[in-house]
Amino acid sequence: RKEVEQDPGPFNVPEGATVAFNCTYSNSASQSFFWYRQDCRKEPKLLMSVYSSGNEDGRFTAQLNRASQYISLLIRDSKLSDSATYLCVVNGGGTYKYIFGTGTRLKVLA
Amino acid sequence: NAGVTQTPKFQVLKTGQSMTLQCAQDMNHEYMSWYRQDPGMGLRLIHYSVGAGITDQGEVPNGYNVSRSTTEDFPLRLLSAAPSQTSVYFCASNLVASDNEQFFGPGTRLTVL
Repeated sequence: RKEVEQDPGPFNVPEGATVAFNCTYSNSASQSFFWYRQDCRKEPKLLMSVYSSGNEDGRFTAQLNRASQYISLLIRDSKLSDSATYLCVVNGGGTYKYIFGTGTRLKVLA
Repeated sequence: NAGVTQTPKFQVLKTGQSMTLQCAQDMNHEYMSWYRQDPGMGLRLIHYSVGAGITDQGEVPNGYNVSRSTTEDFPLRLLSAAPSQTSVYFCASNLVASDNEQFFGPGTRLTVL
């Protein structure tokens, strides 16, 4: 089993739609969780950290479920500019290593 | 601040050649790491360093060497390039605490013929 798993997609959604991605992780000792965004042929950039109580940044909401070992990302009112690959990242659990999921590709259609 | 810089942006090698991918950061970050990204595989950790003089292996270290003589620089060496090392290589840096954002360089696209 991979340490961090994501549905690769693509998720094709119309503009204005709400879309959600999940990511599961296998190390129950993991401590830090992130969503990164990667545009085609570019470097990943932090979208948001994920906190235990859940957190929101504009149209983006991240949730953590430690009991089931998954994190989620909800995007409301999708824009064309949201088209990208979203990477789930997990860190901690006795190591400094950041473990990346393979990414979920989102296409927002006009 | 320039952030994380990588050189070269593109490189073509022949099998058996050696080369060094350069990575530098000007944010005084203790932690630096190298990843490779292949289609459908996500980013895989090659080597990482938690400070000058300290390095450790990641998930896919074979065929690569690293050193960390200064806080700023973290070069990745391919000793004898193989076609399986064709990939996009990203260098990243961050403060050591695990809840800190990683900052990535723009990447090096390497093709080994």
